[in-house]
Amino acid sequence: GQQVMQIPQYQHVQEGEDFTTYCNSSTTLSNIQWYKQRPGGHPVFLIQLVKSGEVKKQKRLTFQFGEAKKNSSLHITATQTTDVGTYFCSEGNTGKLIFGQGTTLQVKP
Amino acid sequence: NAGVTQTPKFQVLKTGQSMTLQCAQDMNHEYMSWYRQDPGMGLRLIHYSVGAGITDQGEVPNGYNVSRSTTEDFPLRLLSAAPSQTSVYFCASSYRTGRTDTQYFGPGTRLTVL
Repeated sequence: GQQVMQIPQYQHVQEGEDFTTYCNSSTTLSNIQWYKQRPGGHPVFLIQLVKSGEVKKQKRLTFQFGEAKKNSSLHITATQTTDVGTYFCSEGNTGKLIFGQGTTLQVKP
Repeated sequence: NAGVTQTPKFQVLKTGQSMTLQCAQDMNHEYMSWYRQDPGMGLRLIHYSVGAGITDQGEVPNGYNVSRSTTEDFPLRLLSAAPSQTSVYFCASSYRTGRTDTQYFGPGTRLTVL
């Protein structure tokens, strides 16, 4: 079945440093969604990408979908302590999503 | 709107007991799903539904049953609880606008099976 691999599993950064998490698949993805989960909380939808090569920005967050639609990345510029949490990518639709393992971001003030 | 609600928030069961995790949404969403979250394994899909009366299996359906008699409710039943079912369970609902699906997650149920 479809598998979505996410790296790294953990990342510790100093506040102000940049952060990137990557999502990879061996097969073509129909779309990619990104979620953020704060410690003790539930996943919250951030964005969905559907087009080859698509790039979207939300303030300090930049999301990219690869040209071949087999990979995606989330880049955070100048991290803040509020960015702490686990970031998940996922693929699918109509209620059936397959998630990557997530990248847990720790930010040292 | 309350969004997606789940009850209970916490539950402790003994091996072999059965129970139902409740999930409700008030957003008139077509699609509802159940996931379990274990450390280092992300979220894994248990069962999902594309509308009232229609359910299907996800990645890890064994030991769980679901039904969807109304658009609003999507309960998850554990038939005979096992320690391997200790996990955090999330219910989600979603709708589709054009090519975009937006999933909304409930607050989760933390289940421990002894």
